[in-house]
Amino acid sequence: TQLLEQSPQFLSIQEGENLTVYCNSSSVFSSLQWYRQEPGEGPVLLVTVVTGGEVKKLKRLTFQFGDARKDSSLHITAAQPGDTGLYLCAGWDNYGQNFVFGPGTRLSVLP
Amino acid sequence: NAGVTQTPKFRVLKTGQSMTLLCAQDMNHEYMYWYRQDPGMGLRLIHYSVGEGTTAKGEVPDGYNVSRLKKQNFLLGLESAAPSQTSVYFCASSYTRTGDEQYFGPGTRLTVT
Repeated sequence: TQLLEQSPQFLSIQEGENLTVYCNSSSVFSSLQWYRQEPGEGPVLLVTVVTGGEVKKLKRLTFQFGDARKDSSLHITAAQPGDTGLYLCAGWDNYGQNFVFGPGTRLSVLP
Repeated sequence: NAGVTQTPKFRVLKTGQSMTLLCAQDMNHEYMYWYRQDPGMGLRLIHYSVGEGTTAKGEVPDGYNVSRLKKQNFLLGLESAAPSQTSVYFCASSYTRTGDEQYFGPGTRLTVT
């Protein structure tokens, strides 16, 4: 059982559609990070959310941290082919001894 | 600024052979990390370091050793490679820990036959 679960595992949509991906845990996180990874490369940080209920916007991407700090979501408006990639949520576990990643959502945006 | 670099990019080992992966960063970061990435499992932390001369175990440390003799370098060693260690290995670094961005290298694809 992974500490962070992500859904859906795969998502294929047409350019211009909206989508939401989810990151869930039964544990409280002091902060969560979202990374995007493209094939053959390392992950790149998109955002860090720290406060329960926090909403952050990055152009067409909107990130939300749950009130209880156990879950987070990423909403993309009007998806573009350049949004294609593996989206990973991550954070330090309760004991601060292990940085954990979710298994990721693989997004494909078709032109 | 090269950021985080990893050597080598690809390697094929036979079971029982040993090797060392080298990670270097030029951002003066205190923290460095080694992860492995397997299909469907995201990234899993192997070992990390909070500063020169210090190391700590992550989620999957068995079969690996690490050393941080210089602040800018973090070495990952496999003493006796096993097929289960076939994976893509990523190194990362960050200035501090809490909430700080981790900068990742391009990865090393290791195959153990």
